[in-house]
Amino acid sequence: AQSVTQLGSHVSVSEGALVLLRCNYSSSVPPYLFWYVQYPNQGLQLLLKYTSAATLVKGINGFEAEFKKSETSFHLTKPSAHMSDAAEYFCAVSESGGYNKLIFGAGTRLAVHP
Amino acid sequence: DTAVSQTPKYLVTQMGNDKSIKCEQNLGHDTMYWYKQDSKKFLKIMFSYNNKELIINETVPNRFSPKSPDKAHLNLHINSLELGDSAVYFCASRPNSGPPLGSIYFGEGSWLTVV
Repeated sequence: AQSVTQLGSHVSVSEGALVLLRCNYSSSVPPYLFWYVQYPNQGLQLLLKYTSAATLVKGINGFEAEFKKSETSFHLTKPSAHMSDAAEYFCAVSESGGYNKLIFGAGTRLAVHP
Repeated sequence: DTAVSQTPKYLVTQMGNDKSIKCEQNLGHDTMYWYKQDSKKFLKIMFSYNNKELIINETVPNRFSPKSPDKAHLNLHINSLELGDSAVYFCASRPNSGPPLGSIYFGEGSWLTVV
């Protein structure tokens, strides 16, 4: 069965600092991996996805993630945090075939302080 | 134009009532989903339909009944609402083929509060 573990339910960074949100996955088949962002009282917005092409994936708002099969990881990074990045971030995995249901991690709340 | 739209966005209702949440997607996608986000923000799939056919039914109480009148719509009906049903319900859809394969698009969510 597939699963996702997000290390750290809360991450706090200073504005301008590096953002690193950790995600490890478990999958018996080649996975598709996703990062979604949820701003307060809003829906889920796709930040980026890995679908077996380039292992370094660039997304919106300056975020990127690197797929590392050997570490079963798909960590999300951004070189310089902005106040507007404060939100809940979800890592998700789905099978590369089938009906692609998403299995979500528990989420990481990112706080950005001045 | 909103790609995946849900109504209502906010719903407050009493225990024991029956309520429905509607979802429509204008993306031409074949597969639609309902996800539930609980008070701790945890997201879990409830149902999935492919071209009006139920394909995923996770362990959900049978008080919850999805209905897909056509492949662009997936509604969620909930009978005999309980306090524990309070959550945010997200509708989503994805294409069966073609780019961006694998991407699932979410609606804005429906905030259900049972009192």
